[in-house]
Amino acid sequence: GAVVSQHPSWVICKSGTSVKIECRSLDFQATTMFWYRQFPKQSLMLMATSNEGSKATYEQGVEKDKFLINHASLTLSTLTVTSAHPEDSSFYICSAREVWGVGDQPQHFGDGTRLSIL
Amino acid sequence: GNSVTQMEGPVTLSEEAFLTINCTYTATGYPSLFWYVQYPGEGLQLLLKATKADDKGSNKGFEATYRKETTSFHLEKGSVQVSDSAVYFCALSVRNQAGTALIFGKGTTLSVSS
Repeated sequence: GAVVSQHPSWVICKSGTSVKIECRSLDFQATTMFWYRQFPKQSLMLMATSNEGSKATYEQGVEKDKFLINHASLTLSTLTVTSAHPEDSSFYICSAREVWGVGDQPQHFGDGTRLSIL
Repeated sequence: GNSVTQMEGPVTLSEEAFLTINCTYTATGYPSLFWYVQYPGEGLQLLLKATKADDKGSNKGFEATYRKETTSFHLEKGSVQVSDSAVYFCALSVRNQAGTALIFGKGTTLSVSS
């Protein structure tokens, strides 16, 4: 089946550093990738939608300059949390949608990245 | 607006018990509906989906029927196993300015004991 790899799975770093999270579709091409944030025992909140070769579309309330998204190829999107602070600590999950047909192609999710800012 | 409401958890069952997790939605148009499952420390996996009214999605013994008249997509399983313990998310797809996106419910934690 379709596999999405997210790396790293867990990162701990000091306040003020920038952290990059990678999301790769391993066996399919994805024109669209999504970035979500999940707080403990809560649902996934969509942060942004990333279309290959164009700028990401951010949801209301998400700081574009804080959460930089790059989707340079059909198999890779990156999320960079710039100048991270403790309030940015969370579980970040990416998903990728396959390129085929029309209609609601399924999203395939990565295993998530747990970000802890000290 | 578009939203998904799931029953509050946690749901605690004994092995082989019957499971129902309620899900209702509010949406403009005719969304597709999904159930995702999240095992501890992992991302989400698609469990089943339905794309139009009266469709029934099924997978691994789980079923859900798209009920337009009641705007519901309840998840059921006749006999749960310990390995079904996880968080279950109901979701719908919506059109946004970037294409389509998923709106998730808050999730329902299922705990099955032997």
